[in-house]
Amino acid sequence: GAGVSQSPSNKVTEKGKDVELRCDPISGHTALYWYRQSLGQGLEFLIYFQGNSAPDKSGLPSDRFSAERTGGSVSTLTIQRTQQEDSAVYLCASSPGGGGYGYTFGSGTRLTVV
Amino acid sequence: AQKVTQAQTEISVVEKEDVTLDCVYETRDTTYYLFWYKQPPSGELVFLIRRNSFDEQNEISGRYSWNFQKSTSSFNFTITASQVVDSAVYFCALSERGGGFKTIFGAGTRLFVKA
Repeated sequence: GAGVSQSPSNKVTEKGKDVELRCDPISGHTALYWYRQSLGQGLEFLIYFQGNSAPDKSGLPSDRFSAERTGGSVSTLTIQRTQQEDSAVYLCASSPGGGGYGYTFGSGTRLTVV
Repeated sequence: AQKVTQAQTEISVVEKEDVTLDCVYETRDTTYYLFWYKQPPSGELVFLIRRNSFDEQNEISGRYSWNFQKSTSSFNFTITASQVVDSAVYFCALSERGGGFKTIFGAGTRLFVKA
């Protein structure tokens, strides 16, 4: 696609429910990243996929968070048993490779846990 | 470990003033990249520039210029003759070979340009 597409754009969920956030990167981009941005804060790295390599999961805050990337394209970030502190904007980005390219970001998914 | 510090939380200027956004980074790697991104009020992050650790040449693009100095571990961003449309949050970022080239972002500097 022309840009990085994320869905849904907004998600309100009840505490304790599971949510899935989707990211469709730019076609041909081998690297895909998930970040979290809390209100008025910077970007917190979550996870990084590069080609067929094992993902870098070093930023996932707890075992309630997981992500997968199918067929080297679409990625899904899953948050289980959501908590209020999970409320944030979840940003996906992609780049042509993993070697220091600038990222193209999606518009994000605003997650609100009530 | 890689780290990016943007000491200026918020800056407010009047249109046509020049403004410099500071960025200081920490890395033990010799191969790394530095970036600036802009996040306007609409929210979508936009990539502005990338420099690699082997190229300290300053860069100018229109009203934007970047000063990379390894001696002070700084990568500062100057906007000349600021405009209201420059109002945004600006993030400095670093990716290093030792970190698998994942990008770590600074906390951001919010720039207000008043007419």
